[in-house]
Amino acid sequence: DTGVSQNPRHKITKRGQNVTFRCDPISEHNRLYWYRQTLGQGPEFLTYFQNEAQLEKSRLLSDRFSAERPKGSFSTLEIQRTEQGDSAMYLCASSPRVTGELFFGEGSRLTVL
Amino acid sequence: GENVEQHPSTLSVQEGDSAVIKCTYSDSASNYFPWYKQELGKRPQLIIDIRSNVGEKKDQRIAVTLNKTAKHFSLHITETQPEDSAVYFCAAGNDKIIFGKGTRLHILP
Repeated sequence: DTGVSQNPRHKITKRGQNVTFRCDPISEHNRLYWYRQTLGQGPEFLTYFQNEAQLEKSRLLSDRFSAERPKGSFSTLEIQRTEQGDSAMYLCASSPRVTGELFFGEGSRLTVL
Repeated sequence: GENVEQHPSTLSVQEGDSAVIKCTYSDSASNYFPWYKQELGKRPQLIIDIRSNVGEKKDQRIAVTLNKTAKHFSLHITETQPEDSAVYFCAAGNDKIIFGKGTRLHILP
């Protein structure tokens, strides 16, 4: 499968723990996006990368959230000191170019107890 | 900041009738307007997109219209079928893509 891959697919953690999600984009896609989706809502923009450069991070995003794309290929999204409000589906998407189609992964579902 | 408003949040139409979903956006720099379909438990998938140099685009039963002056764009689905039942998201942007909250479309038999 050459689509966008996300791991883990499901994560259950206790409040206060740190979690990390990984996204492997489609090969040679230089754009990579992270979104968060809660039930009944649209994908909420978190951050995006052009190759290894993080171009923007949502102003709504707490400093507990950090994302990296060290070699311009896979990306990680880390949430420190998780809170119950962080429970959501975390979606990764990649795109071959600016204003190109976003190809989404299956998502990583986070449940914070 | 950038914002995309989508209406209605829920839409029920009789099979065979047309469905229309409308969106407005706030960032006048937006030049790319995709529409995504998300079925229950699945990832969003692109169904059609339009760029700011075009006012209308059609693909079989799906069409999108764009009014850049009014910052409005719409999705039209004709001859609706049961498999059209899903959540539809509009989005807008040029560099980063901002999504609307979605429209749950029910096709009634």
